[in-house]
Amino acid sequence: TQLLEQSPQFLSIQEGENLTVYCNSSSVFSSLQWYRQEPGEGPVLLVTVVTGGEVKKLKRLTFQFGDARKDSSLHITAAQPGDTGLYLCAGGINTNTGNQFYFGTGTSLTVIP
Amino acid sequence: SQTIHQWPATLVQPVGSPLSLECTVEGTSNPNLYWYRQAAGRGLQLLFYSVGIGQISSEVPQNLSASRPQDRQFILSSKKLLLSDSGFYLCAWSVLRRGQGGTPLHFGNGTRLTVT
Repeated sequence: TQLLEQSPQFLSIQEGENLTVYCNSSSVFSSLQWYRQEPGEGPVLLVTVVTGGEVKKLKRLTFQFGDARKDSSLHITAAQPGDTGLYLCAGGINTNTGNQFYFGTGTSLTVIP
Repeated sequence: SQTIHQWPATLVQPVGSPLSLECTVEGTSNPNLYWYRQAAGRGLQLLFYSVGIGQISSEVPQNLSASRPQDRQFILSSKKLLLSDSGFYLCAWSVLRRGQGGTPLHFGNGTRLTVT
């Protein structure tokens, strides 16, 4: 089992503030994905990064994959109440027979209007 | 387009009773299939994954088993449920792409299992 630690575990901020969520592991991954999950639903993909050092931007969200492909960060600029949810990172490992995905411990974000 | 169906949405079962959760995928062939369990507000724990019919890999020893009788059908079972089996169970699929990161996971809406 691959262990990915996310920090912080809980985050409560005011609308308009910026925040960063971290995802760290001692394992190297083929890809790193970020998901957001609403209560009672399955996680929904936000982004996939596959190259060490890669940076992707999705509107107010910026994702970075560490150079060694062991860690990642998610930065949200000017957070809005609609950003509230559980954010999950997931490390992908490719084998000849399939993909395995291991999830981080999760960051619960609350944006207060 | 691809869709994934998971049922039931909620389930309350007594300790010692059997369990069967079903997941089916439409619109793709030979998917990788996964069962995850999630504690409230936390990350997902990989329970089982399958790369083909009858091929099941287990990540953690437990009271559960999985089967894949058809290409796009994945079943999670238990002969006798324990209190600790309570949780949110999620089925997901992806497609292998050699040399790349693979497609991301696509999840069902989950089953909330409460063992009483």
